[in-house]
Amino acid sequence: SQTIHQWPATLVQPVGSPLSLECTVEGTSNPNLYWYRQAAGRGLQLLFYSVGIGQISSEVPQNLSASRPQDRQFILSSKKLLLSDSGFYLCAWSTGGWADSELSSGNTIYFGEGSWLTVV
Amino acid sequence: GESVGLHLPTLSVQEGDNSIINCAYSNSASDYFIWYKQESGKGPQFIIDIRSNMDKRQGQRVTVLLNKTVKHLSLQIAATQPGDSAVYFCAENIADSWGKLQFGAGTQVVVTP
Repeated sequence: SQTIHQWPATLVQPVGSPLSLECTVEGTSNPNLYWYRQAAGRGLQLLFYSVGIGQISSEVPQNLSASRPQDRQFILSSKKLLLSDSGFYLCAWSTGGWADSELSSGNTIYFGEGSWLTVV
Repeated sequence: GESVGLHLPTLSVQEGDNSIINCAYSNSASDYFIWYKQESGKGPQFIIDIRSNMDKRQGQRVTVLLNKTVKHLSLQIAATQPGDSAVYFCAENIADSWGKLQFGAGTQVVVTP
């Protein structure tokens, strides 16, 4: 079965410091990968998505960047953190695309356990 | 997705009763919808999904209803249990943008004994 791992689970970083959050997916190949952010008491907002190695699309302008060095690895980074970067960051994955998705196969978008980032 | 400002709506349900959670989505081009359950400090957990060519889908103790005419989605939980206490989010996937979900603000479900 497929699993998704994120780390670290919790992170406290000073303003201006760099950031690196990692996400890996196991049990599948060539997944679509996503980074979402969740502010307190809010829904999730898509930050980045990737359909393959080295392919990154950004959804919102921000202080963060993403990279996909390997098929099942997705990294969220920042060179200098801002206070406003604090939040709950979630990695997600899915297989294929709309044309390949079938409800009966449970092909949907699955989330990791998240990484809590507090910028102080 | 549903826009309810900063205050998270709360649904209090007595254990054993049925729960109905509602969601108004925003984009008529959305073709796929998902309900997620999120417990405190954890990532969203997939509950059930539905495509826009359906109006109802059932799972174990859960049913999702879709009304495209009024852009409304609901999640029904039968015989609500204490373990159902969580925040529930609806998410819409806009056509031709697989996996790029737009989330509602969520509904806090509190199950009382």
